Amino acid sequence: NAGVTQTPKFRVLKTGQSMTLLCAQDMNHEYMYWYRQDPGMGLRLIHYSVGEGTTAKGEVPDGYNVSRLKKQNFLLGLESAAPSQTSVYFCASSYDSFGQPQHFGDGTRLSIL
Amino acid sequence: DAKTTQPPSMDCAEGRAANLPCNHSTISGNEYVYWYRQIHSQGPQYIIHGLKNNETNEMASLIITEDRKSSTLILPHATLRDTAVYYCIVRLSQISSGSARQLTFGSGTQLTVLP
Repeated sequence: NAGVTQTPKFRVLKTGQSMTLLCAQDMNHEYMYWYRQDPGMGLRLIHYSVGEGTTAKGEVPDGYNVSRLKKQNFLLGLESAAPSQTSVYFCASSYDSFGQPQHFGDGTRLSIL
Repeated sequence: DAKTTQPPSMDCAEGRAANLPCNHSTISGNEYVYWYRQIHSQGPQYIIHGLKNNETNEMASLIITEDRKSSTLILPHATLRDTAVYYCIVRLSQISSGSARQLTFGSGTQLTVLP
């Protein structure tokens, strides 16, 4: 049981480049989340999804887009990367929003030069 | 979500029980207590959660005081691999279906298990 898997684990981009981060979960969870973690800032929610085909904005959505075409996958896209988006990105999933815990992947470390 | 207070750091000898305290004096009746940990360079890992009663799973035990204003996470036999930052989070047990909020991590407790 892999849980939540994120790819890639590391990536270096140049300013203005685009890329997509992939999150896959095998727990049949309805809810999926993308967070970023910066030193001294804690986790901040970028976007989330409450089911296949749905997406919604979190606390810091600007500069990112997401898609949930399949229940098990949640994609995070950066259309034009900026140095301020250098961060560690974590994907999480949960069964519901009624108290069930979120389960996290091991993160994608992204550097924008 | 209610505010939580945790000691910034604790040490524990390998093989002994690690007892991590958390104060949440403003907790409301419909808020759960969650514990997560984050080992360096890894994603946050869910440990356990509870509402009113004490809980136990294969990883840890959660003891919640009767007034629910504080709780203790117990790792019964700490190992070196338990060295991590431990986060106590208080969160509403129910929000409206179709919406979500971020899981807010505070500063946590850096637990160091010593050989």
